[in-house]
Amino acid sequence: GDSVTQMEGPVTLSEEAFLTINCTYTATGYPSLFWYVQYPGEGLQLLLKATKADDKGSNKGFEATYRKETTSFHLEKGSVQVSDSAVYFCALSDYNQGGKLIFGQGTELSVKP
Amino acid sequence: EPEVTQTPSHQVTQMGQEVILRCVPISNHLYFYWYRQILGQKVEFLVSFYNNEISEKSEIFDDQFSVERPDGSNFTLKIRSTKLEDSAMYFCASSLMGDRNTEAFFGQGTRLTVV
Repeated sequence: GDSVTQMEGPVTLSEEAFLTINCTYTATGYPSLFWYVQYPGEGLQLLLKATKADDKGSNKGFEATYRKETTSFHLEKGSVQVSDSAVYFCALSDYNQGGKLIFGQGTELSVKP
Repeated sequence: EPEVTQTPSHQVTQMGQEVILRCVPISNHLYFYWYRQILGQKVEFLVSFYNNEISEKSEIFDDQFSVERPDGSNFTLKIRSTKLEDSAMYFCASSLMGDRNTEAFFGQGTRLTVV
C-alpha cells in the first residue's frame, strides 16, 4: 500500500538557518503530494502542495518539488524564523482514493532566536 | 475564513464508556473524514464519508466505531466502548471534492484520554 516516510525529528535550528525536511513516498498510482503544518495548539493546515512530477509547491518561503524519479518531496526554506516552530507533516493522496491522505510521522521543528 | 470546528477539545472517559466526538465541517463541503494520531505516532486515516454513507474505512475502524451526519451540519464519530488504546488526538477534516488534488481542511482536534 501507499506510504510516506519523513526524516526523524525533532530538528532544532537557529534563526535564519537553512531548513530541509526529507520526505519520500511509495504509491501504487500517481499521487498528489502535500506538506501540512501544525502550530502549537492548532489543527493541521495545508502549507503547500504539488500535483504532478516536477511541480514546485511554495508558500510562506517554503518550497518542495515533486520528484517522481526519486519519489521524494523534500521541504526547504532558506531562512527560518522562530515563528516557523511547528510540526510538519508530509502526505500524499492517491488517484481514486476519495481524497484520503496518507501521512508521514511528522517532524517537529524548533527554531531558536 | 471558514473553518472546521471540533468539540470538545479534550475528553476524558473511563474505559468501556461511549464517547461522541463532534465536528462541524465547512458548510459547502461534501466529503468528510476522521483521522487519529496516537501520541508519538503517525496521523492515521480512519474513515471517509460522502453522500450520507461511508466511502472507505481503515482496518482501525472496527465495529466499535461509527460515524453519522445527523442534521446536515454536524459530523460525529462515536466509539461505543472505549479502550485504553483509543487514547489519541482525533482530527476531523472536510473537502469540497474528494479527489487527490483538493485541499482537506482540518479541525483543531479532540484529545481523547481513556482511563
